[in-house]
Amino acid sequence: QSVLTQPPSVSEAPRQRVTISCSGSSSNIGNNAVNWYQQLPGKAPKLLIYYDDLLPSGVSDRFSGSKSGTSASLAISGLQSEDEADYYCAAWDDSLNGPDWVFGGGTKLTVL
Amino acid sequence: EVQLVQSGAEVKKPGESLKISCKGSGYSFTSYWIGWVRQMPGKGLEWMGIIYPGDSDTRYSPSFQGQVTISADKSISTAYLQWSSLKASDTAMYYCARTLTRPGWLDYWGQGTLVTVSS
Repeated sequence: QSVLTQPPSVSEAPRQRVTISCSGSSSNIGNNAVNWYQQLPGKAPKLLIYYDDLLPSGVSDRFSGSKSGTSASLAISGLQSEDEADYYCAAWDDSLNGPDWVFGGGTKLTVL
Repeated sequence: EVQLVQSGAEVKKPGESLKISCKGSGYSFTSYWIGWVRQMPGKGLEWMGIIYPGDSDTRYSPSFQGQVTISADKSISTAYLQWSSLKASDTAMYYCARTLTRPGWLDYWGQGTLVTVSS
């Protein structure tokens, strides 16, 4: 059971827009930045979004991030077949067990 | 070019020890934290712990405290993840990744090391 909750899967047609949600609590998303990682099949994860809505150099602007309260979202517009991947949200968690990073369970994106 | 290059796949028996490595290049190794992430077969990412090679400050996720040891040798820009007695449940892909700050973001990742533990 992951600390951050994501839908297990989403699907959408090419050229459409899809959003992936990430729900947490006040100890993580509510008070800390959210990052998103893309993991293509058989590959290592790659930083996609950092500090809630910032894009690293080289990442397509078809990707965008947002946050409101204790939830965050990743949006992908103009879907392409190469966007098929697993997407993970992550945030710092200020829990009583000690500050630590927590990940969502991951969302598998299928481009129909 | 920033690179984190991990050691190759390992096949071990239960009870054996193991140390895998992550070598950084293209940046100041002692200025970034190196974290370790586990991904069990078909599962998601799990945070294991992190080390600051500059002073060897090390933090563990409660789930992995006492189960693994994280270390670093800054003279050769290499971080390590080790087990003293492997279990079948340690079978997974292990990734290293760097971050400038805690909290922060993992901006570069290694290619992963597959560890298989089987009798």
